[in-house]
Amino acid sequence: QVQLQESGPGLVKPSETLSLTCTVSGGPASDGRFQWNWVRQPPGKGLEWIGNVYHRGTTNYNPSLKSRLTISLDTSKRQFSLKLTSVTAADTAMYFCARDHGGFDHWGQGILVTVSS
Amino acid sequence: EIVLTQSPDFQSVTSKEKVTITCRASQSIGSFLHWYQQKPDQSPKLLIKYASQSLSGVPSRFSGSGSGTDFTLTINSLEAEDAATYYCHQNSSLPQTFGGGTKLEIK
Repeated sequence: QVQLQESGPGLVKPSETLSLTCTVSGGPASDGRFQWNWVRQPPGKGLEWIGNVYHRGTTNYNPSLKSRLTISLDTSKRQFSLKLTSVTAADTAMYFCARDHGGFDHWGQGILVTVSS
Repeated sequence: EIVLTQSPDFQSVTSKEKVTITCRASQSIGSFLHWYQQKPDQSPKLLIKYASQSLSGVPSRFSGSGSGTDFTLTINSLEAEDAATYYCHQNSSLPQTFGGGTKLEIK
């Protein structure tokens, strides 16, 4: 059974870089059938797609975040990562990683990231 | 960007009732529309993919229909455990987008 697990700091200072990693277990991250996604959800609000990466490192980003965003894939470690620079309070959210196989069929439990000094 | 508009935003219903949630896309997305259920403090769970395809492990009371711009999630004979927020999601074109959500309360 595929499982995804987010990891990273829960508190980031304004203007600094938010870095998160999603570890995939129970299946290869290199499988070309899947796209690996990041989704976030501000407290009490809806879901926002951040971007994705797939098997040869090809990425797609939400234009609203593109200038600050990098998503990468390390198939040897079965991990994919998110880096968001110059964060502000508006980036405070629960961050989820998710596998896309015709809809997001597997999700991590999420990690709450708070941007505050 | 494709905007997904869900209705209603909130619905209070009784057990055994039939519920219909709609999702309208700002332009045609074919059948690239998926439905999720999210309970408090949990990650979303995929219920229906490609507008109408059911998934193993999802109760048969959940069904989806539609194509193009108009989609529907139907829950037949609602159960107490169905209290949650429901989201639609399109991956027909980038950026992928989600609807605003429909919160379902069980009376």
